[in-house]
Amino acid sequence: RKEVEQDPGPFNVPEGATVAFNCTYSNSASQSFFWYRQDCRKEPKLLMSVYSSGNEDGRFTAQLNRASQYISLLIRDSKLSDSATYLCVANTNAGKSTFGDGTTLTVKP
Amino acid sequence: EAGVAQSPRYKIIEKRQSVAFWCNPISGHATLYWYQQILGQGPKLLIQFQNNGVVDDSQLPKDRFSAERLKGVDSTLKIQPAKLEDSAVYLCASSLVGLAGPYYEQYFGPGTRLTVT
Repeated sequence: RKEVEQDPGPFNVPEGATVAFNCTYSNSASQSFFWYRQDCRKEPKLLMSVYSSGNEDGRFTAQLNRASQYISLLIRDSKLSDSATYLCVANTNAGKSTFGDGTTLTVKP
Repeated sequence: EAGVAQSPRYKIIEKRQSVAFWCNPISGHATLYWYQQILGQGPKLLIQFQNNGVVDDSQLPKDRFSAERLKGVDSTLKIQPAKLEDSAVYLCASSLVGLAGPYYEQYFGPGTRLTVT
């Protein structure tokens, strides 16, 4: 079993839709969590950090449930430009990062 | 602010040959990471440096892979000899701090796309 597991996808949604991605982690030493976005043939870039009970940034909301070792990302009012792969990341206190395999989102007109 | 620099961007080699990748992190970033990303998978951490010391290299195939960061700034990753399964994108990333806490984002370079034939 992988340390960080994500919905395999792909998710194909129309513009304006709301879509949610799930991520679970198995290392109880994980302390901080992130969502990165990776466009095709590009490097990952930070989308959001997820602290304590979660946070919101515009159309994006990230939630953390430490008891269930579960993280989610909600995208509201999807745009064509949201099409990408979304990577869930868990960091331990030692700074070790473990990435999930990503979930691919395609937003269609 | 200049980003993380990597070279070369692309490399094609035959199996059993050797190859080296170079990374220059963002100025002032103490932590440097090398990742391997195989098509369809997430980045897998190969080695993490804090300044010029190794923090984690538990997933580095040490029989063929080596990495160094001699002056605590730029770094090289070497594969010798290469295997077909080493075909991947090798990503370098840097962050402000690693050991002191896990809360800083990582900035990635554009990666080196390696094809082993």
